[in-house]
Amino acid sequence: DTGVSQDPRHKITKRGQNVTFRCDPISEHNRLYWYRQTLGQGPEFLTYFQNEAQLEKSRLLSDRFSAERPKGSFSTLEIQRTEQGDSAMYLCASSLLAGGVVDEQFFGPGTRLTVL
Amino acid sequence: GQQLNQSPQSMFIQEGEDVSMNCTSSSIFNTWLWYKQDPGEGPVLLIALYKAGELTSNGRLTAQFGITRKDSFLNISASIPSDVGIYFCVRGSNFGNEKLTFGTGTRLTIIP
Repeated sequence: DTGVSQDPRHKITKRGQNVTFRCDPISEHNRLYWYRQTLGQGPEFLTYFQNEAQLEKSRLLSDRFSAERPKGSFSTLEIQRTEQGDSAMYLCASSLLAGGVVDEQFFGPGTRLTVL
Repeated sequence: GQQLNQSPQSMFIQEGEDVSMNCTSSSIFNTWLWYKQDPGEGPVLLIALYKAGELTSNGRLTAQFGITRKDSFLNISASIPSDVGIYFCVRGSNFGNEKLTFGTGTRLTIIP
């Protein structure tokens, strides 16, 4: 399968614990995005990378959230001291920037986080 | 902030019926995208629109970019069970597809 993959698919944690999610983009894609989707809403942009550089962060990304893409391939999203309000689906997407044109974003299946 | 309002919020139809949904914005867009999300999965791009007035088809799906650049509609003809899901209109950024902004969604259910 050559699509975007995310791990784990589901995570249940207790409030106050730290969690880390992983995203593996489509191999030739140089852009990687994180979105958060709460129940009944559309996905909301969190942050994106071009290669290993984090180019933009949303106001939604509080200081408890950190994302990395150290080698310009896979990315991790860490949430420290989780709160019940962090419960959501965390979606990763990737795309290719070539010739100044950004192609379609392909989404992974998401990681569903439940904070008890 | 910028809002994308979709209507209807939900639809209950019988298999074989045609479906129409639309999306309006408070500001002008340069790119309209329509995505579909199946339960438990990530969204998948259905149609992309880049010019005001543009009408684009993808199989049984047809979408149009409104002349005012503030609205778009999506039609599905002869619905089938696999059309069930949530349909989102989406704004791309002015430079392309960075930082997508999703609408509120239209949930389509097919009644047996």
